[in-house]
Order: sequence, then structure tokens, then C-alpha cells
Amino acid sequence: SYELTQPPSVSVSPGQTARITCSGDALPNQYAYWYQQRPGQAPILMIYTDSERPSGIPERFSGSTSGTTVTLTISGVQAEDEADYYCQSADSSGLVVFGGGTKLTVL
Amino acid sequence: QITLKESGPTLVKPTQTLTLTCTFSGFSLSTSAVGVAWIRQPPGKALEWLALIYWDHNKRYSPSLNSRLTITKDTSKNQVVLTLSNMDPVDTATYYCAHWVAVAGFDYWGQGALVTVSS
Repeated sequence: SYELTQPPSVSVSPGQTARITCSGDALPNQYAYWYQQRPGQAPILMIYTDSERPSGIPERFSGSTSGTTVTLTISGVQAEDEADYYCQSADSSGLVVFGGGTKLTVL
Repeated sequence: QITLKESGPTLVKPTQTLTLTCTFSGFSLSTSAVGVAWIRQPPGKALEWLALIYWDHNKRYSPSLNSRLTITKDTSKNQVVLTLSNMDPVDTATYYCAHWVAVAGFDYWGQGALVTVSS
């Protein structure tokens, strides 16, 4: 079955830039989406169609794509950004797939 | 304002069938390019997509659970129902329903419903 691969964890100090990657063979042909999930809460859509930001999402969150890898970048990380982040896309037949999640720790 | 809320049993026994209802407001499931999905998350683990029903009645299921899942909608009641048969303790999870829009992703989520499978 198709998989999206994320690093289990990323750590950054406040004010630094965090980059979370997501790799998958179908990513050149399928859009990617990013979700933030804080403990005990439902996920929140942070990025859609690779690089678009929904209204209300801070500008420090951005998305990019290069080949089979998409990246969520958080510039000027704040303590409140500490959370789990999930990428989501679709396989070649359009079925939804989530990545394994990345725990962002703000040191 | 779009809202979704999951409802159903909090505890089911092994081999039973789980039935969850997602009741939503603020949109119509007869509007083009709109859908409602079910996504679950076992305690401490990652999100797992289960099923998606579209405005045009099409349905898609996770390949790994396809034989156990059924998703239906009642447009007049603004509800989407998920059934998962032959429940096992590994199906213990928080089950979310989410609003889906083509090329916009899952932009609204319910609060989630924890379902425990135990005898």
C-alpha cells in the first residue's frame, strides 16, 4: 500500500525555522495538505494544495514541493507551535493517505 | 459556520458492529465537490483515513478496511453514518468526521469520539 514518510520528530529553538518533510512517490501528481494537532484536540488544516494557507493561519507557516517530497516550513517558531504535524495526500487512484506524523518540539 | 459532531457508543465488544453518526451543519452534502470523511486515531498513534462519501453519492474506502466498512449519507438530515463490522481491540481509537472540499482538503473536523473495544 502507498505510504507517506515523515520524520518522527523535529526539534527547534524558539525563533528558529522548522522544516518537516513528507515523501511519497505519488506526490509529483497529487496535492499535499498539512494538519496541526495539539494534544487532545482535533487536527487543524494548515496548508492545502501544497502551498496555500487557509485564512486565519499565520504567515510563518508555508508549504513547498520538490519532486517526491513536500515540506512544511515554520519560520520564527513559537512555543505554541509545539504539536504533531501530519501530511496528507492521495495515492495514484485518489485514495486518501496520511503520513505517520511528526512531533515538533520547541526547545 | 461549518460544524460537525460525532456520536455513537463509547464501548463495544469484540465482534460487534460499530455504528457512528456524524451530524453536521453549515453546508449541504448535495453541493458539488463536497464530501464527508471518517478518520480515526488510535491512542498515541497516527491519523488513519477510513472512508469518504461525496456529494454525488460516490464512496471511497481504505483498502485495508474495505471489507468491514460502510459509509452512507442522509442529506435531508445532514448526517453521515459509518459502520465498521467485526470490531477488535485494535480498532480502539478516536473517530473523527471531517468536511472535505476538492483541492481544499479536510478543512473542518468534529471534536472526535473515543471508541473502546473490550469485552
